[in-house]
Amino acid sequence: GQQLNQSPQSMFIQEGEDVSMNCTSSSIFNTWLWYKQDPGEGPVLLIALYKAGELTSNGRLTAQFGITRKDSFLNISASIPSDVGIYFCAGIYNAGNMLTFGGGTRLMVKP
Amino acid sequence: EAGVTQSPTHLIKTRGQQATLRCSPISGHTSVYWYQQALGLGLQFLLWYDEGEERNRGNFPPRFSGRQFPNYSSELNVNALELEDSALYLCATRGGGADTQYFGPGTRLTVL
Repeated sequence: GQQLNQSPQSMFIQEGEDVSMNCTSSSIFNTWLWYKQDPGEGPVLLIALYKAGELTSNGRLTAQFGITRKDSFLNISASIPSDVGIYFCAGIYNAGNMLTFGGGTRLMVKP
Repeated sequence: EAGVTQSPTHLIKTRGQQATLRCSPISGHTSVYWYQQALGLGLQFLLWYDEGEERNRGNFPPRFSGRQFPNYSSELNVNALELEDSALYLCATRGGGADTQYFGPGTRLTVL
């Protein structure tokens, strides 16, 4: 089946630093989504990308849909302690169909 | 606007029992997806319901089943529970023609 490789698996950074994480796939996806999950809670949607090459921002977050449709990255600028959590990329191949998730990036921020 | 709701929050069962988990979608959403998040295994797709019909299922045995009601809420049933069924079960809903899925808070199922 389709697989998403997400890296890095974890990051421990200083408050104020910028963060970058990415997802790659051997298959094409038509939609990329980025979620953040806090412990014991459901994932919260951060950014949705629908077109190859699309670059979208949401506050301090910026994400891009790779031109090959096989990758996406998420950047967080000027990290703050509340950015702590697990970030997941997810791809959709067929419209309306299920999400395929990356393994997650655990972000830890040192004040 | 109310988000996706799930009940119960926690569920403790013993091996061999049956579990029923419930999900209420965002108003106007007609598609419901179920995912399993087991420790160390990430998020895995279980089932997709749309307009009352099962549209797709993931690589899970038939003892995982569900249904969608006329009000678009959904139930996930897990029969003959096994220890490895212990996980956070997440429901996500979609509507309005967009691909974006919104998640509920999950039900933590523990099988003893």
